[in-house]
Amino acid sequence: AQTVTQSQPEMSVQEAETVTLSCTYDTSESDYYLFWYKQPPSRQMILVIRQEAYKQQNATENRFSVNFQKAAKSFSLKISDSQLGDAAMYFCAYRSAFGGGADGLTFGKGTHLIIQP
Amino acid sequence: DGGITQSPKYLFRKEGQNVTLSCEQNLNHDAMYWYRQDPGQGLRLIYYSQIVNDFQKGDIAEGYSVSREKKESFPLTVTSAQKNPTAFYLCASSTSIGGTGPYNEQFFGPGTRLTVL
Repeated sequence: AQTVTQSQPEMSVQEAETVTLSCTYDTSESDYYLFWYKQPPSRQMILVIRQEAYKQQNATENRFSVNFQKAAKSFSLKISDSQLGDAAMYFCAYRSAFGGGADGLTFGKGTHLIIQP
Repeated sequence: DGGITQSPKYLFRKEGQNVTLSCEQNLNHDAMYWYRQDPGQGLRLIYYSQIVNDFQKGDIAEGYSVSREKKESFPLTVTSAQKNPTAFYLCASSTSIGGTGPYNEQFFGPGTRLTVL
């Protein structure tokens, strides 16, 4: 079974600065997907960024980028130019590519990101 | 607008009662999922269904039941056998196995908060 670990229960950053959220995972599979989801106070889950394991290039979506280290099984999220609207819980998630990738996601316990004005 | 709806938003249950949470999607997705979220925990998979009239147990299926009679609907019943049902429940859907889009991104509904009185 796969596991996802987020070792930072809470992080705080000043507005406009950069913050990095950590995620490690354990799997014996070679092909899989990794995701970062954001859950604001409304509790709606929003996809932030995604990465396919076979792609060496790190994914980037505007101010959000990842550092994917497959050998180290690490998948950190960097948020640049932090904004007040970035304040939320952030969850790292894993999904197997086996069987077409229709299985459920395995989530970490989340990191609560606080943005200081 | 396409999306996932969950009802009710808040649900109260007395001890020993079964309750059913509704999840409907108009995204034409084949796969649907139920997750449970507890404070300080990530999301945990309860059940998932890849096609109509078929579903699989997730990591914490005990005390829950589901049905998938229509592609659009995936209701979750919390039975009296579930010893600690108070939690936030999230429904999600994604494209089918081998469907377009390499990531099989999961889209989430707004959630139902269940409280046992």
